[in-house]
Amino acid sequence: KAGVTQTPRYLIKTRGQQVTLSCSPISGHRSVSWYQQTPGQGLQFLFEYFSETQRNKGNFPGRFSGRQFSNSRSEMNVSTLELGDSALYLCASRSHQGLEETQYFGPGTRLLVL
Amino acid sequence: AQSVTQLGSHVSVSEGALVLLRCNYSSSVPPYLFWYVQYPNQGLQLLLKYTTGATLVKGINGFEAEFKKSETSFHLTKPSAHMSDAAEYFCAVSPTGNQFYFGTGTSLTVIP
Repeated sequence: KAGVTQTPRYLIKTRGQQVTLSCSPISGHRSVSWYQQTPGQGLQFLFEYFSETQRNKGNFPGRFSGRQFSNSRSEMNVSTLELGDSALYLCASRSHQGLEETQYFGPGTRLLVL
Repeated sequence: AQSVTQLGSHVSVSEGALVLLRCNYSSSVPPYLFWYVQYPNQGLQLLLKYTTGATLVKGINGFEAEFKKSETSFHLTKPSAHMSDAAEYFCAVSPTGNQFYFGTGTSLTVIP
């Protein structure tokens, strides 16, 4: 089975722009979570989608949004980019919600905001 | 509120020596605990997890961790370090299985 894929892998944007990141989960997985990884903060949970519905949300401003399509692919959007948004954005998928379901992470999209 | 503290952002060990990576958590409910490993330019991979039952959990690549409720700890150990163990390690807690809280990570260096 192919793993979790994320596109693009690297991205450079300037302040004020908006960006869309894409995540394709493992085939058959219906849950997709997004995380922001920075050296000082570690991984911080952004949100989780399951069957096209946002089920959980972390403590991030409304500039961060996402959606999930019927094929379980997910996109994350960040509007009005700030320098502090520079980070590695990780996507993780699992077949269902719940503790017994292991999260599988993609390689991430590295975003640099200038 | 849930939080995870990993003591030591950088740990160095000699090849063949014991690996000990520390993790302490705070949780308002009985937690479920995880260790992940991240190799350069890759995503995170699950090493092991504790949900219920035996407090000593064995994972992949010879790693294990012990859940100690009285100490609110979930330290990761490996008896003998290998060069391939060099990576970033993350401890995580989840109160429900639907939202995960990660520590800031420990970078492990293995010295030949």
